[in-house]
Amino acid sequence: DAGVIQSPRHEVTEMGQEVTLRCKPISGHDYLFWYRQTMMRGLELLIYFNNNVPIDDSGMPEDRFSAKMPNASFSTLKIQPSEPRDSAVYFCASSLGLVQPQHFGDGTRLSIL
Amino acid sequence: GQQVMQIPQYQHVQEGEDFTTYCNSSTTLSNIQWYKQRPGGHPVFLIQLVKSGEVKKQKRLTFQFGEAKKNSSLHITATQTTDVGTYFCAQGVYNQGGKLIFGQGTELSVKP
Repeated sequence: DAGVIQSPRHEVTEMGQEVTLRCKPISGHDYLFWYRQTMMRGLELLIYFNNNVPIDDSGMPEDRFSAKMPNASFSTLKIQPSEPRDSAVYFCASSLGLVQPQHFGDGTRLSIL
Repeated sequence: GQQVMQIPQYQHVQEGEDFTTYCNSSTTLSNIQWYKQRPGGHPVFLIQLVKSGEVKKQKRLTFQFGEAKKNSSLHITATQTTDVGTYFCAQGVYNQGGKLIFGQGTELSVKP
């Protein structure tokens, strides 16, 4: 069975550029989560969706970040404009329910120069 | 907001020694999950605890949920080099619909 698929695996770009991260959740999973992981702040929940609807975006750092889920099999996390402090590993995860085990993708390692 | 305290932050052991990491909360938890992340990898679900005082075992790993549902522990007996990685607890918070909040993790290194 295919797991959660994220792309790209690595992204290096200059500050000010727009960055788009992509995620395909496991088929049948109703919940999709976006996390950011850094050494300083650990694993932070940015936003999560239930049945394609954003439920809690309280973890989104600021207006430069936006996330969408146009259908059950695809989600994007966009940063515009990007800044060096956005450098991190971004994980997407999906689950059958809010309190069910989460399945993580391999992550996108983002470097903003 | 909800604080998830996980200790220790790092643990270095000799292969064969035991290892324990602890997770504490000031509020009652709806559930707790444990994940393992290998270096360069992604978090992988290990187990979920729901009941007060629950104890679950997976081979050399023992997971425990406190009686008051405010703390949990993961114990590894006779560590092996394959146990290397960061262990995270993730706490489900009642007043937020059970949304998971991850602890900072305990990084385990095992010297052969």
